[in-house]
Amino acid sequence: DTGVSQNPRHKITKRGQNVTFRCDPISEHNRLYWYRQTLGQGPEFLTYFQNEAQLEKSRLLSDRFSAERPKGSFSTLEIQRTEQGDSAMYLCASSLRGASGADTGELFFGEGSRLTVL
Amino acid sequence: GESVGLHLPTLSVQEGDNSIINCAYSNSASDYFIWYKQESGKGPQFIIDIRSNMDKRQGQRVTVLLNKTVKHLSLQIAATQPGDSAVYFCAVSDYKLSFGAGTTVTVRA
Repeated sequence: DTGVSQNPRHKITKRGQNVTFRCDPISEHNRLYWYRQTLGQGPEFLTYFQNEAQLEKSRLLSDRFSAERPKGSFSTLEIQRTEQGDSAMYLCASSLRGASGADTGELFFGEGSRLTVL
Repeated sequence: GESVGLHLPTLSVQEGDNSIINCAYSNSASDYFIWYKQESGKGPQFIIDIRSNMDKRQGQRVTVLLNKTVKHLSLQIAATQPGDSAVYFCAVSDYKLSFGAGTTVTVRA
């Protein structure tokens, strides 16, 4: 399967613990996006990378959240000191766009990582 | 930022009938629009896209209409099938996608 891969698919943790999610985008895609989705809502943008550079972070991304894409391939999203309000589906998506591309192009989404904070 | 809204949160349609899902957006400068389908427990799946230089685009059993004057977008699904039951999102693209809340489509047998 050459689609976007996310793991773990499900994570249950206790409040205050740290969690890390991994995303492996489609191999030739240079843009990588993280979104958060809660029940009954559309995905909300968190952050995105062009290659290894993190170009934009949403105000939703508090200082407990950090995302990296060290080699411009896979990405990790870490949440420190988790809170119950962090419970959500975390979606990763990737696309292939030129550096001057003003829009996302078609985003290909992974199946998501569902986080439950007890 | 971009605001995207869907007109109806739910839509129930008889199998074989056509479905129409509507969406409104706020930024008149928006240039690129995408419809996604999301089945339970899965990530959003691309259906069809359209750029602002077009009014209509057709795919397999789906048509997207764009009315830039009123900033309105619609997705039409022809001959709706049980497999079309899902949540449908319209999304507006600049350097990121902004999604609406979604319309849940239920197909009645």
